[in-house]
Amino acid sequence: DTEVTQTPKHLVMGMTNKKSLKCEQHMGHRAMYWYKQKAKKPPELMFVYSYEKLSINESVPSRFSPECPNSSLLNLHLHALQPEDSALYLCASSQGPLQTVGEQYFGPGTRLTVT
Amino acid sequence: EDKVVQSPLSLVVHEGDTVTLNCSYEVTNFRSLLWYKQEKKAPTFLFMLTSSGIEKKSGRLSSILDKKELFSILNITATQTGDSAIYLCAVGRGSTLGRLYFGRGTQLTVWP
Repeated sequence: DTEVTQTPKHLVMGMTNKKSLKCEQHMGHRAMYWYKQKAKKPPELMFVYSYEKLSINESVPSRFSPECPNSSLLNLHLHALQPEDSALYLCASSQGPLQTVGEQYFGPGTRLTVT
Repeated sequence: EDKVVQSPLSLVVHEGDTVTLNCSYEVTNFRSLLWYKQEKKAPTFLFMLTSSGIEKKSGRLSSILDKKELFSILNITATQTGDSAIYLCAVGRGSTLGRLYFGRGTQLTVWP
């Protein structure tokens, strides 16, 4: 089973709202990732967690706050977003540890619209 | 500066044609090259290549890596309309663990 699940599939939020995106995998992977993808562009890395610790933050604005409650779950908390943050947010996982570069498996994504 | 360049950016073929997609890279401390297929949503993993000259094959798709010339190709034979997608190439570096460097992708359209 190479499934990564994400909820919700679609989210519309106002600029003053607080919302969270959720990601789950049950493959025993120890590295998890958040990506942002705009239309007709490749995914851009936002955060990487390895063994539930944040190991990479690609200078993402603080209005995006990641959280890894356990090895299977990854959240992305959203607050005071801007319309330009509208995008497809992808979660991915890989076997890890990060000392090896293994294939990353992507979830279906959350289509976020900020109004 | 690290670069991953895919070509062509866009390709239109008819069912039954064979296509070759290209990915060249200039990265330090290369570790692996990955191919993904992206339809409407998430990228789907196709292949990971780490060694030169060893072809990986899955059905009508195959890929090979040339670490001397710094490129990889993805071949699709007997294309079908279901092959229509964006094909993404990504490179992993040993010194930036966990980070994949993506190319812009090749948009493949297969007409019936």
